[in-house]
Amino acid sequence: DIVMTQSPDSLAVSLGERATINCKSSQSVFHSSNNKNYLAWYQQKPGQPPKLLIYWASTRESGVPDRFSGSGSGTDFTLTIGSLQAEDVAVYYCHQYYSSTQTFGQGTKLEI
Amino acid sequence: QLQLQESGPGLVKPSETLSLTCTVSDGSINSSTYYWGWIRQPPGKGLEWIGTIHSGGSTYYNPSLKSRVIISVDTSKNQFSLNMRSVTAADTAVFYCARLRWHGYFDLWGRGTLVTVSS
Repeated sequence: DIVMTQSPDSLAVSLGERATINCKSSQSVFHSSNNKNYLAWYQQKPGQPPKLLIYWASTRESGVPDRFSGSGSGTDFTLTIGSLQAEDVAVYYCHQYYSSTQTFGQGTKLEI
Repeated sequence: QLQLQESGPGLVKPSETLSLTCTVSDGSINSSTYYWGWIRQPPGKGLEWIGTIHSGGSTYYNPSLKSRVIISVDTSKNQFSLNMRSVTAADTAVFYCARLRWHGYFDLWGRGTLVTVSS
């Protein structure tokens, strides 16, 4: 299985400041046939299901605020929240769908 | 917008079979674009993909659970189901059903249902 490792496990950021979450895969999730990274990011608030934020490593899902952005390629990826809002408090997960066995990172808890 | 809703017993005894159904509403489960999946999350822990099915019947399972899991689809009812046999306390989790876009990422999720394995 491809192991997804997020860092840090938790972080606290001031309102209006930038938050950065990293995700590293144990093997590349880049597919050269279509030049796409098979990597998604989700936000999960307490008592709620995960919500898709980013797919193909950097494509923002419709309706997601543009303060959320994804970057990276191969094995190293980053989710950036440009200006933290109170409603962004949540756990964030990366997810690889390159392998037939899909796997998630362990989650990063974001607090104010 | 299409919605997903999990249903099934909230309590299952050890060694028995966990059975859940996901009902798709305000949309059709028949699609070449979308697949349908199950994911679980033990209390306070992370997400684990269980398996995926297409309306045509193709199935894909997490190898770690494959020996105990069957996912099926009933297109006439716009539903897909999860059966997990020989459960133990370690299977206690919130179970989510979700839609996969292009057999890849999960773009829509049900609200989830907590299943506790206990005698």
